[in-house]
Order: sequence, then C-alpha cells, then structure tokens
Amino acid sequence: KAGVTQTPRYLIKTRGQQVTLSCSPISGHRSVSWYQQTPGQGLQFLFEYFSETQRNKGNFPGRFSGRQFSNSRSEMNVSTLELGDSALYLCASSSARDIYYEQYFGPGTRLTVT
Amino acid sequence: AQSVTQLDSHVSVSEGTPVLLRCNYSSSYSPSLFWYVQHPNKGLQLLLKYTSAATLVKGINGFEAEFKKSETSFHLTKPSAHMSDAAEYFCVVSDRNNNDMRFGAGTRLTVKP
Repeated sequence: KAGVTQTPRYLIKTRGQQVTLSCSPISGHRSVSWYQQTPGQGLQFLFEYFSETQRNKGNFPGRFSGRQFSNSRSEMNVSTLELGDSALYLCASSSARDIYYEQYFGPGTRLTVT
Repeated sequence: AQSVTQLDSHVSVSEGTPVLLRCNYSSSYSPSLFWYVQHPNKGLQLLLKYTSAATLVKGINGFEAEFKKSETSFHLTKPSAHMSDAAEYFCVVSDRNNNDMRFGAGTRLTVKP
C-alpha cells in the first residue's frame, strides 16, 4: 500500500506570492491533517479535514486555507507569503474519524520564501 | 487544555548504551499518547502508542514506553542504542474527546560510536 505522498517536495517562492501544496493520503484514509514545522515553533497543527469538511483548525491566520476533495486528496494554500512562512509542511492521514488513531505522515514539502 | 513537555531538547548516548527520552503530559481526560521519530528530511514515523490498554507499550525498533498516570509521564526507552536511532523524537498527546493533538518540542538523539 502506497504511503502518504506530498507534492512538490521543495518550493521556492517570493514574498507576496501564493502557493498551493498537495497531499494524497493512504488509500482508504479519509482524514487528512496539515502541520507546519519550523526550528523556532516546532510542529504546529494547521487544520484537519474529514470527508471534505474542515473539522479542526489551529491558530493560524486566514492566509492559510485548505480543502479536501471527494477522493480524500487535500490541498493547502497560503496567500500573500511572508518570510516567516518558510517551513516544512507535513501532511498526515488517518483511517479513523478522529485523530485518536495514529496518523501516517508524508515526507513533507519544504517551502522557502525569499 | 492539554499539553506535552519533553524534558530534554538533546540527548547524547554511546552506541550500545540505554536510551531514555522523557515526556510529561497534561490532560483533562484519559489521553492517548504517541511517540514519533523523524529522521533528517523525512516525515514522522510512528514508534508506538498508548490507548488505555497495557501501560507498557512496545514499539518498533526495540523501543518501548511506560504510561505512568501518577507521574503523568510517558518516557521512551531502548536497552541498547544503535547508530540508526539518531533522529528527532516527538511525544504527542491526543484527547479523543475534542480531537486535539499536541506535539512536544522534540528531543534530538545523538548516538556516538
């Protein structure tokens, strides 16, 4: 069974631009969560989707948004990029409705904002 | 609200010696607890999880952790470190009542030859 895949793996953008990251969960998994990882703030929860609905949201500004499609694939979008948005963005999928069950992580997308 | 504290940001051991990575948690309810490992430039991999069954949990690669409610701890141990164990380790607490998942700050494990 294929693992969680994220595209692209690396991305360089300029301040003010927007970016879209993609995540394909493990087949059969309906829950997809997104995390931001930085050296200073560590791992921070962005949001979680289940069956195309956002169920949980972390403490991030509205510039960060996401969506989930009917095939459970998910995208996250960051508009008006800032230097501080440079981070590793991790996607994780889970087979269960709640994240009480373990999540399986993708390799991440490393975003650099210049 | 729940939280998790990893007591050491960096642990260094020699190959073949025991590993102890410490984690304390705070939760209003009976939590689920996890340990994840992250190798450089990789995503997180689940090592083990506690979900209110046996308090001593065995995971992959020889790791285990013991849930101690009285001490609100979930320390990760391994009897003998291997060079391939060098990585970042994250302790995670999850509250199934509100789908809240919190990550610790991480502990970087260095293994010396």
